[in-house]
Amino acid sequence: EPEVTQTPSHQVTQMGQEVILRCVPISNHLYFYWYRQILGQKVEFLVSFYNNEISEKSEIFDDQFSVERPDGSNFTLKIRSTKLEDSAMYFCASALTGSNQPQHFGDGTRLSIL
Amino acid sequence: DQQVKQNSPSLSVQEGRISILNCDYTNSMFDYFLWYKKYPAEGPTFLISISSIKDKNEDGRFTVFLNKSAKHLSLHIVPSQPGDSAVYFCAASEGTYKYIFGTGTRLKVLA
Repeated sequence: EPEVTQTPSHQVTQMGQEVILRCVPISNHLYFYWYRQILGQKVEFLVSFYNNEISEKSEIFDDQFSVERPDGSNFTLKIRSTKLEDSAMYFCASALTGSNQPQHFGDGTRLSIL
Repeated sequence: DQQVKQNSPSLSVQEGRISILNCDYTNSMFDYFLWYKKYPAEGPTFLISISSIKDKNEDGRFTVFLNKSAKHLSLHIVPSQPGDSAVYFCAASEGTYKYIFGTGTRLKVLA
């Protein structure tokens, strides 16, 4: 069964450094998402992406965050200058359509900011 | 943001019996609901969904019930199996791209 893959599984970064989290969505999916889960908290929506542009973003997704689909397969989340509070599990998801279709999640990247 | 609530953090059920997981929501504009299962060190795995025009959807051992007047969603697993032991999340959306997740219920199925 096709799946969403994320790399790396664990990323350790110094505060203030830039980090890029990578995702390969399911190949025929058109909608892409990033969520995060801070330890002990809910899974929270960050951003959705369709047709090479952001469709929706949360208040968490500030100017330090950006997303990109640099080629036909990868979908990346960049955090420009990381803060301690960015430490979390980051999940990428993809869906065939934008509504009333389930989003399929990758196994996540654990981001630890020191 | 407490739009989706799972009030039971954990549930234990004997193998072969029914597991019932519950979810309440406050936003009457939600029109699509889902259940996900999550094992440690893995991402959420889609289980079953229901749109607001239905009140029941069934897939094998999993059935989701939606009570719109009560703003309540439940997942029934029957019969429960040890491999069902995981954290279960409900999620909802209002025709937009984002899902709002509950806090999860940890299900333990006892052999």
